[in-house]
Amino acid sequence: AQSVAQPEDQVNVAEGNPLTVKCTYSVSGNPYLFWYVQYPNRGLQFLLKYITGDNLVKGSYGFEAEFNKSQTSFHLKKPSALVSDSALYFCAVRNTNAGKSTFGDGTTLTVKP
Amino acid sequence: EAGVTQSPTHLIKTRGQQATLRCSPISGHTSVYWYQQALGLGLQFLLWYDEGEERNRGNFPPRFSGRQFPNYSSELNVNALELEDSALYLCASSWGGSGNTIYFGEGSWLTVV
Repeated sequence: AQSVAQPEDQVNVAEGNPLTVKCTYSVSGNPYLFWYVQYPNRGLQFLLKYITGDNLVKGSYGFEAEFNKSQTSFHLKKPSALVSDSALYFCAVRNTNAGKSTFGDGTTLTVKP
Repeated sequence: EAGVTQSPTHLIKTRGQQATLRCSPISGHTSVYWYQQALGLGLQFLLWYDEGEERNRGNFPPRFSGRQFPNYSSELNVNALELEDSALYLCASSWGGSGNTIYFGEGSWLTVV
């Protein structure tokens, strides 16, 4: 079985400050890890993914994520938050046997001016 | 290039009725996934279709069913609707292979009254 935990329901940061949205996972075998963002009443938009290689992955809109195998974590980061980054963020994991992706419960990011 | 398209955008049904939701994947994608996003419950995996076959199924009752057509489009059928089926139903598609990104449509809102 595979699972994802996003330990924080909400993250609040001030505009211009760095942000981190946490994600830990559990999966058998090598994980494929993904981050998505959802704006109100919209579908999910893909931000970035880790498949293999460099542990630091860069994605859309200035976001990056660091894969840490020993801590089974894949935290989403951005050096300088924007008000427009305010949204719901989902971490997802898929094992190498393909098929379903399992999503975390989501973290609401609020960036205040 | 067109993204994943879903129809209808909104659907209101009465308890006990049937609902049919439709999804057209990104051109060239052979896999289609269905997820339910109910308020406060995150994304719950429903079904995965690939090359016309059902490959995996989430923990939902049999009244949730679907199919994938030869052109890789898909439909999700929900029979004997219950109030708790009210949710955003998200379709996603990808090329085959577990490392490939799944891309989401904007979803179909189903309201059961």
